[in-house]
Amino acid sequence: RKEVEQDPGPFNVPEGATVAFNCTYSNSASQSFFWYRQDCRKEPKLLMSVYSSGNEDGRFTAQLNRASQYISLLIRDSKLSDSATYLCVVKRQAGTALIFGKGTTLSVSS
Amino acid sequence: GAGVSQSPSNKVTEKGKDVELRCDPISGHTALYWYRQRLGQGLEFLIYFQGNSAPDKSGLPSDRFSAERTGESVSTLTIQRTQQEDSAVYLCASSFGENTEAFFGQGTRLTVV
Repeated sequence: RKEVEQDPGPFNVPEGATVAFNCTYSNSASQSFFWYRQDCRKEPKLLMSVYSSGNEDGRFTAQLNRASQYISLLIRDSKLSDSATYLCVVKRQAGTALIFGKGTTLSVSS
Repeated sequence: GAGVSQSPSNKVTEKGKDVELRCDPISGHTALYWYRQRLGQGLEFLIYFQGNSAPDKSGLPSDRFSAERTGESVSTLTIQRTQQEDSAVYLCASSFGENTEAFFGQGTRLTVV
C-alpha cells in the first residue's frame, strides 16, 4: 500500500461547480497534513494546512479524519484558474520527510 | 530574493558524467528536502535534513546519489555516473521547523543524453 494515495482523476468540471478530492494515508503516526497545488511545469505551492478541527480558506475547505486516516479538500465555485494538480502531503513522525501523493488533476472549463 | 534558490535551472549532461545540484534554502529554515519528479509523475522523496540531526536518506535510489548540507545553509545533491533514467526535475524545499509547511525552489531540470 502506498503511503499517501489519491485518485489521479482527471476531474473535469464547469466553472462554478463544487468538487471534492480525497486522500488516504497509511501511517497512523503521521503528524502534519497539507494540500499543495502544482501547475504544469512549475514547482508545488502550499494551498493550505489541514487541521484536526477542519479549516477553511475562502472557497477551499480541508478536513482531516485521523480515525479513518483520510484527508479531503473541497473547492466551491470553481474558477478557470483552479485548474491544476492538487497534491496531498503527509508528514510522518518527527525527523522524517514530507511525503507527497501523486496528485489529482483538476480541469475547470468555461 | 527571500525564496528557495536552486542552481542551475537546467543541466544537460552526458551519460556517465557526475553532476552537482545546489539548493539555497530560505534563511532560518532548519529543514531541507530534496525530491525528484520525472515527467508526468509525482514527487519522489530523496533526502531530508533537519538541523544537526542525521539526515533521512531513505529515499535515495542508489549509491550514485548523495547529498550534503553545511549547518542550516546550502545543500548540494550529487549524482555520480549519471544514467538516462536520472533525467527529471530535482526540487528542493525548506521549512522553518519539523511540522511546518515547506517552500519549494523552481527546480533543476536535468537531462542525461
